[in-house]
Amino acid sequence: GAGVSQSPRYKVAKRGQDVALRCDPISGHVSLFWYQQALGQGPEFLTYFQNEAQLDKSGLPSDRFFAERPEGSVSTLKIQRTQQEDSAVYLCASTLGNEQFFGPGTRLTVL
Amino acid sequence: RKEVEQDPGPFNVPEGATVAFNCTYSNSASQSFFWYRQDCRKEPKLLMSVYSSGNEDGRFTAQLNRASQYISLLIRDSKLSDSATYLCAVNSGSSNTGKLIFGQGTTLQVKP
Repeated sequence: GAGVSQSPRYKVAKRGQDVALRCDPISGHVSLFWYQQALGQGPEFLTYFQNEAQLDKSGLPSDRFFAERPEGSVSTLKIQRTQQEDSAVYLCASTLGNEQFFGPGTRLTVL
Repeated sequence: RKEVEQDPGPFNVPEGATVAFNCTYSNSASQSFFWYRQDCRKEPKLLMSVYSSGNEDGRFTAQLNRASQYISLLIRDSKLSDSATYLCAVNSGSSNTGKLIFGQGTTLQVKP
């Protein structure tokens, strides 16, 4: 595909369950970002990869959040022991030059 | 105080109106500035980059005021299809890693 893809598009989890969200960036894009967008808010930075290296994880809200990009392409954001406050849309973006191209997001609802 | 602030609106305007949004940022080291458009339940899409000299793309004009630390977006001759949320985004400081700090978004509703 031509754009950034994310899966699943929707995820409902029970509180305490672990979830894994996948991002397939645009082929050849070196930089990859994860953002969290709560209802009615703008996206908030979570973490950044350049190839397989995680260069900035300052936005991860707790040690329950973990991201990886082992081969420098696909990335996975894992949330352990989900809480209700984790309910949000998780957006992935890959970058060409100055422009960030966003995927459609994964809408996570924690019950 | 948030690093990037926008008036959430909503701005309700008639078709054909001119509407302007402002966005303020607090980090004077910020280097790159953007306006994104986000439709309901969709991902943000880049509308315009904002340059120091100002830039125009059809009905849309973006301006940067470094001294006062704000960026603006002007939409002329509003169309129904312009109804969306407009997010301003600022590259976070001098490292220029590409990490973006977004405002809350301003909702625009264009009425017939």
